Amino acid sequence: DAGVIQSPRHEVTEMGQEVTLRCKPISGHNSLFWYRQTMMRGLELLIYFNNNVPIDDSGMPEDRFSAKMPNASFSTLKIQPSEPRDSAVYFCASSLVGGVEKLFFGSGTQLSVL
Amino acid sequence: DAKTTQPNSMESNEEEPVHLPCNHSTISGTDYIHWYRQLPSQGPEYVIHGLTSNVNNRMASLAIAEDRKSSTLILHRATLRDAAVYYCILQGNAGNMLTFGGGTRLMVKP
Repeated sequence: DAGVIQSPRHEVTEMGQEVTLRCKPISGHNSLFWYRQTMMRGLELLIYFNNNVPIDDSGMPEDRFSAKMPNASFSTLKIQPSEPRDSAVYFCASSLVGGVEKLFFGSGTQLSVL
Repeated sequence: DAKTTQPNSMESNEEEPVHLPCNHSTISGTDYIHWYRQLPSQGPEYVIHGLTSNVNNRMASLAIAEDRKSSTLILHRATLRDAAVYYCILQGNAGNMLTFGGGTRLMVKP
């Protein structure tokens, strides 16, 4: 299994531009999580989906952030417009829903907003 | 959510055992104790989890206090590749959601 695949690995953009981060979960997993990591705030859960349905998006910072999961094998996190304070590493993770299951994380997308 | 408290950093010598403590005095009866670690420039990876009994796997051992208010992750023989941030996390039965704290940065000296 290839694990959780995130793209791009690095993204550099200018303030005001739209940014789209992509995630392919492990095949068969039906929970998907988006986390953000910064030095100041550590790892923060932004949103998670069960069976493609958003369950908790209370961690999404503001309306500039949106996440979708159109099918079981793909999810996007979009920032529009981007701001310098959005610079962080964004991780996607997947697991099997229910019970006590391991989370498998991708390698992350390093986002720099200039 | 119940919180965990971990030392900010610890140091170990290579090939020696490492005991990473975690306090979770407000743990509820149904909370599982999870440990993840994050190597430099990588996403977190699962290490081990338990509920009441001590647990062993190929990566580590988890020792859980009888009152469950604390736990210890044991690396039996630290290697340089074990240098990472180790997170102790409680998971309630409300689903898979995991809330990460600050973790313990483990440094391993050759």
